[in-house]
Amino acid sequence: AQSVAQPEDQVNVAEGNPLTVKCTYSVSGNPYLFWYVQYPNRGLQFLLKYITGDNLVKGSYGFEAEFNKSQTSFHLKKPSALVSDSALYFCAVREGSSNTGKLIFGQGTTLQVKP
Amino acid sequence: DAGITQSPRHKVTETGTPVTLRCHQTENHRYMYWYRQDPGHGLRLIHYSYGVKDTDKGEVSDGYSVSRSKTEDFLLTLESATSSQTSVYFCASGGTGVNTGELFFGEGSRLTVL
Repeated sequence: AQSVAQPEDQVNVAEGNPLTVKCTYSVSGNPYLFWYVQYPNRGLQFLLKYITGDNLVKGSYGFEAEFNKSQTSFHLKKPSALVSDSALYFCAVREGSSNTGKLIFGQGTTLQVKP
Repeated sequence: DAGITQSPRHKVTETGTPVTLRCHQTENHRYMYWYRQDPGHGLRLIHYSYGVKDTDKGEVSDGYSVSRSKTEDFLLTLESATSSQTSVYFCASGGTGVNTGELFFGEGSRLTVL
């Protein structure tokens, strides 16, 4: 069965410093991986995805993610954090070979960026 | 942004009463989903739809039913609400092809069952 794990409940970083939010996955077959962000009292917003190709994927708001097949990881990164990046971040995997778009989400990581 | 709205946004009800949450999208997306969000569990899929009148169960479907009579509308019904169904419910929609998995979420419906 497909699954994703986000090992950190919370990540704290100072504004201007690089940030990393970790995600590991377990899938059978090729992974289709996603990152979403949730601001307080809002729905989730799509950030970026990995389907195939380049291991470094660029997304919205300056975020990028690095796919590492040998480590089964898909970590979210940003070179310079902003206070406005503070939010809840979810990693997700598309279920199996399904083309229905069903996603399995991790438990989420709260990112706190301090001035 | 895709137009996807949920109603009601907040509801308090009593155990044993029926509840219906509504989701409306204006993007003509084929797929629609209902998730629930609970602390420590992330988002869990309740039911999804892959077309009008075509629905299937998700991970946590017990106690829930859905209906989709039009492309744009997806209803979630709790036939007899229980306290364990207190949660924030999110509707999402998504397209097909290379964009499969890029979901657009509503703002959520906070349900409290007393």
